[in-house]
Amino acid sequence: EVQLVESGGGLVQPGRSLKLSCAASGFTFSNYYMAWVRQAPKKGLEWVATISTSGSRTYYPDSVKGRFTISRDNAKSSLYLQMNSLKSEDTATYYCARHPLGAGYNWFAYWGQGTLVTVSS
Amino acid sequence: DIQMTQSPASLSASLGETVTIECRASEDIYNGLAWYQQKPGKSPQLLIYNANSLHTGVPSRFSGSGSGTQYSLKINSLQSEDVASYFCQQYYDYPFTFGSGTKLEIK
Repeated sequence: EVQLVESGGGLVQPGRSLKLSCAASGFTFSNYYMAWVRQAPKKGLEWVATISTSGSRTYYPDSVKGRFTISRDNAKSSLYLQMNSLKSEDTATYYCARHPLGAGYNWFAYWGQGTLVTVSS
Repeated sequence: DIQMTQSPASLSASLGETVTIECRASEDIYNGLAWYQQKPGKSPQLLIYNANSLHTGVPSRFSGSGSGTQYSLKINSLQSEDVASYFCQQYYDYPFTFGSGTKLEIK
């Protein structure tokens, strides 16, 4: 069974940093592109980042490019999101998600339960 | 960026009814479309990918169709467990973008 368990969320002041983690199990982590998707309270979904199987390629929307960094440790079956220069508009539940097998298949086949990040002074 | 316009924003239907949710892309997305279901307090779950392919384990009362810029999700024989929000997502091009969602309630 595919399991994705996020951690690291919490309350952080504007301008500060936070690092999220996602522990994966139930599949061969190194074979899959992985992603982060967020959802502001009572709002819709926003894709935040995607990383290739080796970690050599990363993709971001303009809203987080230059502030957020996605990374992975295949030996630990773990995905990370380093968030810097946080803004109030980054307040959201952050989901770890697995893409389907293979490059170019960009829907989100499995999701974690999410971790809440609140950016406030 | 490709904009996804989803309608309606909310929908109320009776048990056993058939409902349809629409999603329009701002440009041709060549069937690069997925549908997700998010039940209250839960994470989203994949229903449909490639516009019309059913994800593993999803009941056959869910179906997707469309092409070009117009896509739809149909739910046949509405069940109480279908109460949820539904989102479309285009993955034809970066950045991946979602529709604003449709909240489905039982009448």
